[in-house]
Amino acid sequence: SYELTQPPSVSVSPGQTARITCSGDALPKQYAYWYQQKPGQAPVLVIYKDSERPSGIPERFSGSSSGTTVTLTISGVQAEDEADYYCQSADSSGTHVVFGGGTKLTVL
Amino acid sequence: EVQLVESGGGLVQPGGSLRLSCAASGFTFSDHYMDWVRQAPGKGLEWVGRTRNKANSYTTEYAASVKGRFTISRDDSKNSLYLQMNSLKTEDTAVYYCARSLRGSSGSYYVGFDYWGQGTLVTVSS
Repeated sequence: SYELTQPPSVSVSPGQTARITCSGDALPKQYAYWYQQKPGQAPVLVIYKDSERPSGIPERFSGSSSGTTVTLTISGVQAEDEADYYCQSADSSGTHVVFGGGTKLTVL
Repeated sequence: EVQLVESGGGLVQPGGSLRLSCAASGFTFSDHYMDWVRQAPGKGLEWVGRTRNKANSYTTEYAASVKGRFTISRDDSKNSLYLQMNSLKTEDTAVYYCARSLRGSSGSYYVGFDYWGQGTLVTVSS
């Protein structure tokens, strides 16, 4: 079955830039989406269609795509950004949704 | 304001059945594809399945892990989404979220989710 691969953890100091990658063979064909999830809360969409930012999401969140890898970038990380981040996309047919395993972002 | 409210979770024995509901408000429910996503305790997100809208014949898709055991349905007249879960296994223990699929301004459908409910916990245990 199709998989998306994320690093389990990323650590950055406040004010620094965090980059979280997500790799998958179908990413050149399918859009990627990114979600932020804090403990005990539902996920929140932070990036859609690879690089679009929903209204209400801070400008420090951005997304990019290159080949089979998509990247979520958080510039000027703040303590409140500490959370789990999940990438999501679909298989090459677009039929089945798949999530990456999640990345725990720690703000040191 | 878009709201999704799940209900119906609880404790069930292995092999048992449970039906989850998701009440939607604040948007035209019938326009959107709707999905179920689950999260086992301390684990990541796992897609369960999707129902498309009337314009797409209410067709459904399921993850391999639940296909043949779970059924997704909807009632547009009640703005409600359902998940019928049969032959439950201990590994189905999770918080179950309903989620609204993104729809572009031109009417295009996307696999991402712009709104999520708060989830309902299903525990499968003897």
